[in-house]
Amino acid sequence: QQQVKQSPQSLIVQKGGISIINCAYENTAFDYFPWYQQFPGKGPALLIAIRPDVSEKKEGRFTISFNKSAKQFSLHIMDSQPGDSATYFCAATMYSSASKIIFGSGTRLSIRP
Amino acid sequence: DTAVSQTPKYLVTQMGNDKSIKCEQNLGHDTMYWYKQDSKKFLKIMFSYNNKELIINETVPNRFSPKSPDKAHLNLHINSLELGDSAVYFCATSTSSRTDTQYFGPGTRLTVL
Repeated sequence: QQQVKQSPQSLIVQKGGISIINCAYENTAFDYFPWYQQFPGKGPALLIAIRPDVSEKKEGRFTISFNKSAKQFSLHIMDSQPGDSATYFCAATMYSSASKIIFGSGTRLSIRP
Repeated sequence: DTAVSQTPKYLVTQMGNDKSIKCEQNLGHDTMYWYKQDSKKFLKIMFSYNNKELIINETVPNRFSPKSPDKAHLNLHINSLELGDSAVYFCATSTSSRTDTQYFGPGTRLTVL
């Protein structure tokens, strides 16, 4: 119930292509869904976040699509660049959880030049 | 000016030893966290402090003891280190709002031999 399931575990995309990472959750009490980006040797950093009252949020080349009825959300990276190569984590939090964030298992993204 | 700093960056030690990791933040945030990231990149919260008060304490062996001497510092002391404690430990901070960004430190790679 407290899990966020993320797929794929790893992803290789050609430069200029679209990278898509999917996440799913069970607990309908989750009401805030951030995505974090982590480069090797660094700590995770917030990339983009969405609330379930909107179906899509776009920031530059990064878009979150949210399907509340299916309890699924995904990150799309348009025109993927080698600098986007990193590990991406979806996450979720709920009102009753204090400041606790539940992270997905991560997707290692490699963009081939 | 580093927003969230951790010391040391690397820690190599023998089984059975006691060690500490220190975290300091200059963002003025009142909530601080410790996360453990294992070799598969899975990121899991261990503890959270708000204004020096423990608010999240996940299922963590009691060999791990966090201490918050003031709002800007959160240290992690580990007794009787075991091989399974080898991981990267991240400190993070945020405001009290659970939907605000968590800012992660650079991590401390702990290796137990």
